[in-house]
Amino acid sequence: DTGVSQNPRHKITKRGQNVTFRCDPISEHNRLYWYRQTLGQGPEFLTYFQNEAQLEKSRLLSDRFSAERPKGSFSTLEIQRTEQGDSAMYLCASSSDRRKLFFGSGTQLSVL
Amino acid sequence: DQQVKQNSPSLSVQEGRISILNCDYTNSMFDYFLWYKKYPAEGPTFLISISSIKDKNEDGRFTVFLNKSAKHLSLHIVPSQPGDSAVYFCAASGQKLVFGKGTKLTVNP
Repeated sequence: DTGVSQNPRHKITKRGQNVTFRCDPISEHNRLYWYRQTLGQGPEFLTYFQNEAQLEKSRLLSDRFSAERPKGSFSTLEIQRTEQGDSAMYLCASSSDRRKLFFGSGTQLSVL
Repeated sequence: DQQVKQNSPSLSVQEGRISILNCDYTNSMFDYFLWYKKYPAEGPTFLISISSIKDKNEDGRFTVFLNKSAKHLSLHIVPSQPGDSAVYFCAASGQKLVFGKGTKLTVNP
């Protein structure tokens, strides 16, 4: 399978706990994006990497959120001190240009 | 400030008929437009796209039309099939991809 891979598919956590998600992009893609989707909304941009450099962060990404892409390969998204409002599907996408993004299956986060 | 708008949350059509999904945008700097299809608990899947220098792009049963003066695009599916039932997102590309809220299409057998 050469698509975008995200793990875990589902995560249930208690409020206040830290969680980390992983994304493995399509190998030849140098751009990697994180989006968040809540019920009834479209995907909302969180952050974007070109190779290992994080080039843009949305104001949706509070100080509790941090993303990394060491060595320009896989990426991780960490949420510290989770809140119930963080419950959403977190989507990773990769691309070779800024236009067509290829998405993974997402990580569904539920904060109790 | 919603730059990409899909004003119909849902659409229901009969199998074999045409499905028309609409999308409006506000930012004239967008130069590339895409439609994605999404099933529950899955990520969006690319369907079809169009550059701002064109007004039509066709791929099998799917055609996207772009009216730049009206800042409007539409997706036509002909003929519609039950397997087309999903949420369809319109997206526009400037510096990054901006999505609408989606339209849930139901194709009834």
